[in-house]
Amino acid sequence: DTAVSQTPKYLVTQMGNDKSIKCEQNLGHDTMYWYKQDSKKFLKIMFSYNNKELIINETVPNRFSPKSPDKAHLNLHINSLELGDSAVYFCASSLGTGANTGELFFGEGSRLTVL
Amino acid sequence: AQSVTQLGSHVSVSEGALVLLRCNYSSSVPPYLFWYVQYPNQGLQLLLKYTTGATLVKGINGFEAEFKKSETSFHLTKPSAHMSDAAEYFCAVILRGGSYIPTFGRGTSLIVHP
Repeated sequence: DTAVSQTPKYLVTQMGNDKSIKCEQNLGHDTMYWYKQDSKKFLKIMFSYNNKELIINETVPNRFSPKSPDKAHLNLHINSLELGDSAVYFCASSLGTGANTGELFFGEGSRLTVL
Repeated sequence: AQSVTQLGSHVSVSEGALVLLRCNYSSSVPPYLFWYVQYPNQGLQLLLKYTTGATLVKGINGFEAEFKKSETSFHLTKPSAHMSDAAEYFCAVILRGGSYIPTFGRGTSLIVHP
């Protein structure tokens, strides 16, 4: 059983479209995250959810909206896609707080290409 | 301000040689420190971490890292590189008393030559 699973793995779409990426974790973790990895491999935090509460939202355009129906799921919805949104999006989860939050378990990534 | 810096975007070694990947942090209070590895087309996985206690930390696949407060460093080493070690390596920090969200360095690509 995959611990953190994301779907789809690949997504190719046109500018202006709306798309969603789903993430599920079966580890019983309290916190889930979305990171964006650009073409230079830089990882930037986008969102973090703890017990269904958004606890951080970096300078991310409001076209991006996280949705967490329950503790095991954190989906990412993107409106009006732009060329600059092309990247690999990683979902991750962690247990607890403090040092344990650094022990992230990552999904395999969803590669988004906007044409 | 960047709280974690990885020196060298690429490090190239021969198989069997020492691996040294550098990581420095900027914080008045020592943070929690982590090293992650990312193999091609995969997510990141934890190699090792330092929170408190012993400053020399051993991780998976023969890697280890030493926390040096005086140098604000947490460099990753491995005595003998294998071809299978070729990957992207990320240092990450969690600043104590902050949001406890891990911040990643820009990564170092390890290239291993036969």
